[in-house]
Amino acid sequence: QQQVKQSPQSLIVQKGGIPIINCAYENTAFDYFPWYQQFPGKGPALLIAIRPDVSEKKEGRFTISFNKSAKQFSLHIMDSQPGDSATYFCAASPYSGGGADGLTFGKGTHLIIQP
Amino acid sequence: NAGVTQTPKFRVLKTGQSMTLLCAQDMNHEYMYWYRQDPGMGLRLIHYSVGEGTTAKGEVPDGYNVSRLKKQNFLLGLESAAPSQTSVYFCASSAGTGVNEQYFGPGTRLTVT
Repeated sequence: QQQVKQSPQSLIVQKGGIPIINCAYENTAFDYFPWYQQFPGKGPALLIAIRPDVSEKKEGRFTISFNKSAKQFSLHIMDSQPGDSATYFCAASPYSGGGADGLTFGKGTHLIIQP
Repeated sequence: NAGVTQTPKFRVLKTGQSMTLLCAQDMNHEYMYWYRQDPGMGLRLIHYSVGEGTTAKGEVPDGYNVSRLKKQNFLLGLESAAPSQTSVYFCASSAGTGVNEQYFGPGTRLTVT
């Protein structure tokens, strides 16, 4: 049973466009939602994270939008650049456990930003 | 400060062979994790540890064992490797004090023939 569903699987956007990656979760105990960025041959790196007490969080060109009632969250990349080309993973966990249960990941989105 | 390191980076095993993957972190983190990454599957949690001397099963623990004898090290063992264990293995760590930001190592690519 996949607890975090991520879409699309792959995405191609022109430079300067705004790629949007969506995730939906089922487990109502989840209350910590990070996004990870992974370049080929590297480990995932935390990009931005949100908790459900806010509906939006921005860090630089990256924004998470969160809809608690729909159990959905999404990543937006403003003014996308070729250097943003990577695989992006959404994830979720119960925050109160402090990480004791690990993260449940989506299957990933392979993003290509064309020059 | 090296963060999270993993050895080896690559390994090829024959079916039935055993091996141990080593993860080390120098951030004094309490929690450590082993994930496997397969194409189109995302990352799946194999085992984790919330402190020295403790381990617990994750989503896909079968065929693997782990040990956390020292706080900074987390070992993943395959006693009898199978082709289904061909994957990229990532170790991660987190502070564990109510913050779940996980730091990942560079990964180990394992092929079982």
